[in-house]
Amino acid sequence: AQSVTQLGSHVSVSEGALVLLRCNYSSSVPPYLFWYVQYPNQGLQLLLKYTSAATLVKGINGFEAEFKKSETSFHLTKPSAHMSDAAEYFCAVSEVGGNEKLTFGTGTRLTIIP
Amino acid sequence: DARVTQTPRDKVTEMGQEVTMRCQPILGHNTVFWYRQTMMQGLELLAYFRNRAPLDDSGMPKDRFSAEMPDATLATLKIQPSEPRDSAVYFCASGFGGYGYTFGSGTRLTVV
Repeated sequence: AQSVTQLGSHVSVSEGALVLLRCNYSSSVPPYLFWYVQYPNQGLQLLLKYTSAATLVKGINGFEAEFKKSETSFHLTKPSAHMSDAAEYFCAVSEVGGNEKLTFGTGTRLTIIP
Repeated sequence: DARVTQTPRDKVTEMGQEVTMRCQPILGHNTVFWYRQTMMQGLELLAYFRNRAPLDDSGMPKDRFSAEMPDATLATLKIQPSEPRDSAVYFCASGFGGYGYTFGSGTRLTVV
C-alpha cells in the first residue's frame, strides 16, 4: 500500500524567504511522486513530478523538489516566496507498474507574510 | 491548453434527489479519477477507470453512488438518493499512466 505524509498542515513564511514544504512517502515499489497546488475555489494544478529520471525536479513558478530514496522524502522548496504562492499544496504518490492509483497527502496551507 | 471539463460547476439540490456530475477527460488520456474533497476528510478517491474499465471503486458508498464511462469522452458520477453528508467538491482528473494527472475545476455540490 502507498501513502503520503505531509508534515505541517499550516506553514507561514515571510515574503522573500525560503519555502520548504515537507512530504514523506511510503511505497512497496518505486514511486511516482507529485506536488499539486490548489488556489481558493479552484482545481488542483500540477506543480512538478518525479518519474524516476533526475532526482532534482524543477516545476512551475520557481518550485523544485528533490527525491531522496534513503529518506523516503520529496520535499518542495522555493528560494524566495512571493505573495502569489499563498495556496494549499498537496503531495501525492502512485506506484510504478502497479495500479498507479494516485494517493494524496492531507495538504499544507502556505501563508505568505508581507 | 487541453483541459478536463466538469459540469455543472455548482449544484444545489434537496435531500433525496438524484445528482449527476459529468466529466469530459482530455482526449487520449486513458485514466480517469473521481475525487471528493471536504474540509474534514481532504481528498478522497471515489473511483477510477483505465481504458473505460473500472479499476477501483472501493471509496464509493455503493448503495447510493455509481460511476460510469459510457464512452472515452464522458465520465459520470451519480448519487441517488443524495444526502446532506454528500455536500463536497467533486473533482475529475485524467491522465496517462503515472505521468501526472490534470484536474478539472470541480463540481461544488450542496445537498439541503
